[in-house]
Amino acid sequence: TQLLEQSPQFLSIQEGENLTVYCNSSSVFSSLQWYRQEPGEGPVLLVTVVTGGEVKKLKRLTFQFGDARKDSSLHITAAQPGDTGLYLCAGVSNYQLIWGAGTKLIIKP
Amino acid sequence: NAGVTQTPKFRVLKTGQSMTLLCAQDMNHEYMYWYRQDPGMGLRLIHYSVGEGTTAKGEVPDGYNVSRLKKQNFLLGLESAAPSQTSVYFCASSPGTGGNTQYFGPGTRLTVL
Repeated sequence: TQLLEQSPQFLSIQEGENLTVYCNSSSVFSSLQWYRQEPGEGPVLLVTVVTGGEVKKLKRLTFQFGDARKDSSLHITAAQPGDTGLYLCAGVSNYQLIWGAGTKLIIKP
Repeated sequence: NAGVTQTPKFRVLKTGQSMTLLCAQDMNHEYMYWYRQDPGMGLRLIHYSVGEGTTAKGEVPDGYNVSRLKKQNFLLGLESAAPSQTSVYFCASSPGTGGNTQYFGPGTRLTVL
């Protein structure tokens, strides 16, 4: 059974701080997706990383795919209350998505 | 475009009752999915469809049935609801499989008493 473990499960920080959340597996994925889910809504895709070692930036969010394509990280610089939400990673394997349980992020003003 | 819509948004059932959740998408996507989301467990795939008239089992299919009679609609049925089926249900669609983006509906919160 393929598993994607996300850490931490929960993170609450002050506005302006930096943070990193992680998505780890013992399995290799052909690509990995990051979604953000706000309360009462469905997840929305933020980014897809495909190549080992790839780094993608989305404004203050930086996504990195591990060299071995088994793990990924999301770094947020100068977090803002609008970044609050559940961050989910999903690995692509055999044409299916394997989902992590998510990191619940709260940014306090 | 409305994207992916789900009805109803909330529902309370008694144990043993049945119901159908409706998902509709207007993006002409081939693939559609039903997930359940429980605290601390992420999204778990119930059933999916790779095209009109086709369905397949996902990770947690027991107690659920699905139908895809029209390309734009994907129905999830609970024949005899159980408290363990209390969850938030999400429908999603994608233009293809694997690494394609999945587009999600707003969810249905179901409580089974």
